Amino acid sequence: QVQLVQSGSELKKPGASVKVSCKASGYTFTSYAMNWVRQAPGQGLEWMGWINTNTGNPTYAQGFTGRFVFSLDTSVSTAYLQISSLKAEDTAVYYCARPHRYCSGGSCSYYFDYWGQGTLVTVSS
Amino acid sequence: SYVLTQPPSVSVAPGKTARITCGGNNIGSKSVHWYQQKPGQAPVLVIYYDSDRPSGIPERFSGSNSGNTATLTISRVEAGDEADYYCQVWDSSSDPNWVFGGGTKLTVL
Repeated sequence: QVQLVQSGSELKKPGASVKVSCKASGYTFTSYAMNWVRQAPGQGLEWMGWINTNTGNPTYAQGFTGRFVFSLDTSVSTAYLQISSLKAEDTAVYYCARPHRYCSGGSCSYYFDYWGQGTLVTVSS
Repeated sequence: SYVLTQPPSVSVAPGKTARITCGGNNIGSKSVHWYQQKPGQAPVLVIYYDSDRPSGIPERFSGSNSGNTATLTISRVEAGDEADYYCQVWDSSSDPNWVFGGGTKLTVL
């Protein structure tokens, strides 16, 4: 069965860096892109961007450029999210999510059919 | 960017019907997907492509989409349905491409 298993919670000081992993199993890793979604405490879901698992090319949403880096290790079917120069406002749960493309009637859309369990990153001095 | 608007909260008594709306400009021309998120858990897809249910999702969950409003309907609400619900669209012309509504907290009285 498809699983996305993320690394554990992290407690970091402001200015530090963190790297979150998302290990995929149960499907061919390079057949689907990988997306990242942020959820700040008590807030909603915010799409951060995605990475093409074939080419390694990342696309970042507005507000997630500069300090956020998506990467891959296809040999172990794992995607990574690295955040540098951490700030208190980066405190959030970070999810990896697999997109599913659905086409009907000549139009296509995407939704997330599988999610990781989430990784809590806490930034505090 | 495209904006999806949800009511912050909806309350319903057990056994009744809950309706959660998701408003957006001409949202009826897009495909809307819905997720359920319980405290401390990752979101779970409950409706895709406006009204289709993934396997394992009860028939009590249904969806519709027309004009400027999409609606998630939960019939015969149970205590276990209490959760946050998010609508989502994918819009290739929007930045960001993936857009979520702000979420609705469903409270079962």
